[in-house]
Amino acid sequence: QQQVKQSPQSLIVQKGGISIINCAYENTAFDYFPWYQQFPGKGPALLIAIRPDVSEKKEGRFTISFNKSAKQFSLHIMDSQPGDSATYFCAASGTGFQKLVFGTGTRLLVSP
Amino acid sequence: KAGVTQTPRYLIKTRGQQVTLSCSPISGHRSVSWYQQTPGQGLQFLFEYFSETQRNKGNFPGRFSGRQFSNSRSEMNVSTLELGDSALYLCASSLGETFMREQYFGPGTRLTVT
Repeated sequence: QQQVKQSPQSLIVQKGGISIINCAYENTAFDYFPWYQQFPGKGPALLIAIRPDVSEKKEGRFTISFNKSAKQFSLHIMDSQPGDSATYFCAASGTGFQKLVFGTGTRLLVSP
Repeated sequence: KAGVTQTPRYLIKTRGQQVTLSCSPISGHRSVSWYQQTPGQGLQFLFEYFSETQRNKGNFPGRFSGRQFSNSRSEMNVSTLELGDSALYLCASSLGETFMREQYFGPGTRLTVT
């Protein structure tokens, strides 16, 4: 019940296209949903996060869409660039959890 | 403001040995969490400390332990190393007494057990 399921495992998008990564959760106690970006040899970097009181949050080219009833959330990367090529992790946390539960990661490749 | 620092960055150990990894959080951050990252298991939570107290522990054997010092710096120790302990060990820090979910990660320590 603490799992966060992430898909797809890998994704290839052309430069300028939209990258979409999806996550689903079961535990309704989760109330914080961040996305992390990780480049090879680096630690994960916080990209954007959302709480369930809003259905969408946008920061630059990155947008989180959140569907509370379906218990799903997704990351959209608009105008994808080769520099966006990285592994993306969704995560979830909630009151009393004292930790982040991570999805399995999506390896994104943006072709020039 | 300097980010989370971890030392050493790379480590090679032999089965049966023990290892200590160090983490310095962002200045002012009082919570430190540790995660293990492997290709097979992904990012797995190890433990979280706040004000020198362990607040939460993941599902890892007792060979994995940690502590936090009064300056918020943290160390984790793995005793009797096994081949399966080879992983990237990540430290993350966050601000505040309540578990603030905005976690900022360090670059990690790459541990290889031979």
